[in-house]
Order: sequence, then structure tokens, then C-alpha cells
Amino acid sequence: GESVGLHLPTLSVQEGDNSIINCAYSNSASDYFIWYKQESGKGPQFIIDIRSNMDKRQGQRVTVLLNKTVKHLSLQIAATQPGDSAVYFCAELQDDKIIFGKGTRLHILP
Amino acid sequence: EAQVTQNPRYLITVTGKKLTVTCSQNMNHEYMSWYRQDPGLGLRQIYYSMNVEVTDKGDVPEGYKVSRKEKRNFPLILESPSPNQTSLYFCASSLSEDREETIFGEGSRLTVL
Repeated sequence: GESVGLHLPTLSVQEGDNSIINCAYSNSASDYFIWYKQESGKGPQFIIDIRSNMDKRQGQRVTVLLNKTVKHLSLQIAATQPGDSAVYFCAELQDDKIIFGKGTRLHILP
Repeated sequence: EAQVTQNPRYLITVTGKKLTVTCSQNMNHEYMSWYRQDPGLGLRQIYYSMNVEVTDKGDVPEGYKVSRKEKRNFPLILESPSPNQTSLYFCASSLSEDREETIFGEGSRLTVL
């Protein structure tokens, strides 16, 4: 079975607030993690990645946090906008394969 | 523009009628892969290819074949489609073996009756 999963299938956030999407993984040997965004009718789009030698990585309005002790990964989106509405997948590189979690749907409330 | 192009985008076919979904990338990427996406199951890898003439099974390869005769193309072949292969299929490619910034195609929605 998959080693990567998400805590919540759906997350609703007020526009302008920060969003936090969580992910747990089970393979402690994994050293590369990726977050993807999938908008309706489109393919997944790379957002940000992080290697296991880092705890935090920041992009434009997004931050990924990695806690190797508890095997937890999170994606933080600052000042959530309507365009952030999508399904977000965490993924893990395992034996040359990208293993995806099942996804969290982010709803933006006006 | 860097892109991964899949064809067809939509297809309805019948059980047993062979079909091919083509995938082409214009970025000279070495690594390409195929996924299927099903409700509640997320994205599952079917096959991947590290380079020309090198292909490997992913998590759900049964009922599928692939080929990588040239770097830019990675077709997915369903020799005898069955209804359980009704799904949304994505092709993806990336430059490095670490899969940094993998680029996905727009998807091909296949229905097998």
C-alpha cells in the first residue's frame, strides 16, 4: 500500500487566511518529498519540494515543513486566494518512483 | 513552451479494442512515467522509463504496455482494454533522476464500455 497519506480529505479556509495541509509518511529512509497542486480538469503541477537534510523550505507564498522525527510533512500557503482552490498532493520519492498521497481538497471561503 | 502533450484527451472505447495513448515532451527529459488517477485512490504509477529503451513497472502495470524508442515519446498501450481501466491517465516527465519539477500532461480520460 501507499506509504504517504494526508490527515484530512477536505480543508476549508477563509480567503486571506493561511492554509496548512498536512501529510504523513511511513518510510523513514525517504529523502525527497514533493507537493503538487491539481486544479479541476488539469494535471498535477509542481509547487515545492524538500530534501530530508532540510527542515523547511520557502517559495512564493508557500512553505514546506519536514519533521523527520514524526515523519510529517506540511504545506503552508500564506494569504490564501481563490486561485489556491485545488486538490493538493504530497508525494515521496521511493525506489525511483514517485508515490502520491490521496490528496486534500482546499476550499476557499469568501 | 515546455510541455507534455497527451493524445487523445478523451476517448470512449469498447472492451478488447486495442488503443494507444501517446505522450510527447519537448524538454529533452530523460525520465517519463504514466499514472492513472481514480477517485479515492489518488495517482498510481503504471510504468516509468529512466531513458530510451529502459522501462520499468510501477505499482499498477497489469493490462498496460509502454515503449521508449526515442527520448521524447512514451506511448501507453492497452492491448485489450477492460472496463476496470476506465480512468484518467497522466503522462509526466522530468529532467533529473530526483524527479525535481516533474511536469504533467493535461490528462487523458478513457472510458471502456
